[in-house]
Amino acid sequence: DAKTTQPTSMDCAEGRAANLPCNHSTISGNEYVYWYRQIHSQGPQYIIHGLKNNETNEMASLIITEDRKSSTLILPHATLRDTAVYYCIVRVDKIIFGKGTRLHILP
Amino acid sequence: EPEVTQTPSHQVTQMGQEVILRCVPISNHLYFYWYRQILGQKVEFLVSFYNNEISEKSEIFDDQFSVERPDGSNFTLKIRSTKLEDSAMYFCASRILGLAEQETQYFGPGTRLLVL
Repeated sequence: DAKTTQPTSMDCAEGRAANLPCNHSTISGNEYVYWYRQIHSQGPQYIIHGLKNNETNEMASLIITEDRKSSTLILPHATLRDTAVYYCIVRVDKIIFGKGTRLHILP
Repeated sequence: EPEVTQTPSHQVTQMGQEVILRCVPISNHLYFYWYRQILGQKVEFLVSFYNNEISEKSEIFDDQFSVERPDGSNFTLKIRSTKLEDSAMYFCASRILGLAEQETQYFGPGTRLLVL
């Protein structure tokens, strides 16, 4: 299984862009990169996914490097409601949640 | 927007009792999951279910656990004889089965189970 590595925690000022990195150097050619988040004790929430092109939706943008070994989730204007644990995942038929990145939004 | 729903939101039970946690997956989804999260710990995969049978299960999913799709809409998790260590949030998830683009799992809000 492809493994992901994320920083344990990050801070971001409210209103600024939050950039969350993820390394997935063992990703295989047909595996998508998915991002989920979990706001305190709620169900994990799907954010975005991509294969090799950059993607954008109403929640976030996903930048995937050309070699696909890493990606960055961008929350363009972080708010206090974006405080959560963010998970980068490359296998989604059976999700194995790592520790993720705990994002703190500072007022 | 369609969503996964779960009932009850909270359940308190005595050790040794049976509990059934219920989930209504998104209507056109064909693959169903249960996960659990013990307080302060990671979300853990329990079981996946497709075409009326278990596709995969984790070591956690022992003989005390069972899943069922009793009708066209519900997906249930039964714990036959609850233990104190079964206290956790239980999340149901579902996904459509098809192209990789449609692999996204969508999670319900969870059932908080407390075993006394």
